[in-house]
Amino acid sequence: GEDVEQSLFLSVREGDSSVINCTYTDSSSTYLYWYKQEPGAGLQLLTYIFSNMDMKQDQRLTVLLNKKDKHLSLRIADTQTGDSAIYFCAESGGSYIPTFGRGTSLIVHP
Amino acid sequence: EAQVTQNPRYLITVTGKKLTVTCSQNMNHEYMSWYRQDPGLGLRQIYYSMNVEVTDKGDVPEGYKVSRKEKRNFPLILESPSPNQTSLYFCASSDMGTDTQYFGPGTRLTVL
Repeated sequence: GEDVEQSLFLSVREGDSSVINCTYTDSSSTYLYWYKQEPGAGLQLLTYIFSNMDMKQDQRLTVLLNKKDKHLSLRIADTQTGDSAIYFCAESGGSYIPTFGRGTSLIVHP
Repeated sequence: EAQVTQNPRYLITVTGKKLTVTCSQNMNHEYMSWYRQDPGLGLRQIYYSMNVEVTDKGDVPEGYKVSRKEKRNFPLILESPSPNQTSLYFCASSDMGTDTQYFGPGTRLTVL
């Protein structure tokens, strides 16, 4: 089946930029997503990008898509302690059934 | 307010005692699904439903049942729970046209 891979942990210092990476295998992906899960809470959609886009910026968040390499990244500028969470990469193609990565735990320390 | 609700939020039960986790959405979404989240394994899809009376297996359907009698509700049924079903469960819904999924707050289930 289709696969989405991401590293399990990322540790950054407050104020630095965080970059969370994700790779996927489905070449027919239409939408690619980043979800955020704060401790004890459900998943919230953070941002998404269409597969025909290379970049999307939304305030402190920048999503980069390299469709040739099937690589998606999420950059958080000026990372704050409130950004500490698990970030899930997900992709979906024409079937509307998304595939999620295992999640990356972002730890922000002072 | 657009939302997905799940009940109960926390449940401790014993092996073999049938239980149902309810899920309801108020956004008139066609697509609904259930996931379980386990440490190191991320989100795995249990069942999904494209519309009323249309359900299909996801990646890990064994030991679970679902029904979709109404568009807004998608209950998850564990007929005979076992300890390996101890997990955090999420219900989600989406509009087929946009694909953006809205998640419920999660149900933490412990099977002793």
